[in-house]
Amino acid sequence: DSGVTQTPKHLITATGQRVTLRCSPRSGDLSVYWYQQSLDQGLQFLIQYYNGEERAKGNILERFSAQQFPDLHSELNLSSLELGDSALYFCASSVGVLNEKLLFGSGTQLSVL
Amino acid sequence: KNQVEQSPQSLIILEGKNCTLQCNYTVSPFSNLRWYKQDTGRGPVSLTIMTFSENTKSNGRYTATLDADTKQSSLHITASQLSDSASYICVVRGGGADGLTFGKGTHLIIQP
Repeated sequence: DSGVTQTPKHLITATGQRVTLRCSPRSGDLSVYWYQQSLDQGLQFLIQYYNGEERAKGNILERFSAQQFPDLHSELNLSSLELGDSALYFCASSVGVLNEKLLFGSGTQLSVL
Repeated sequence: KNQVEQSPQSLIILEGKNCTLQCNYTVSPFSNLRWYKQDTGRGPVSLTIMTFSENTKSNGRYTATLDADTKQSSLHITASQLSDSASYICVVRGGGADGLTFGKGTHLIIQP
């Protein structure tokens, strides 16, 4: 157990649908990061939250949104799904606002058919 | 443009052999460089971190080097084991919206 919990592990859905990925950071970590990893790409940063507030934004599509709740868990919402959204989505956490050492979850494998 | 290039893209070696993975970066300003190991279907796990003043650092059978002048790093694996089969990702702190620039990784396969 890495300390960062992501659910579900696998998700299969159809184009045009909407899904929600969930992440619980390691106990004590205030920052949560979301990354997308496609087969032919490295890890792509999507967005960071720190203690409930959006901290940094990367290449996140307008169809995607995220939030961090008071209990520090985070959700990534993906809507109007396209085939190209199929990827591994990772959540990572760190203690502070600077990501000096990220602890990654095991990821959610999203397949859009 | 901040970039991290890793080579080779993939590598197959026999169990017990040594190998070296390369990472070249153009990230500026440079703060530190991490090597991550990512097992199939799992999240990346940090192996080691290199700061500007460090040239070599070991973690068991893994030895990382850093040449800040040429902006190159390497990860050397000694006496490889089947469990070393994974992707190895080089990540440089500096650049990117999250302050990190990721390489695409080297996919290493250890054959018995």
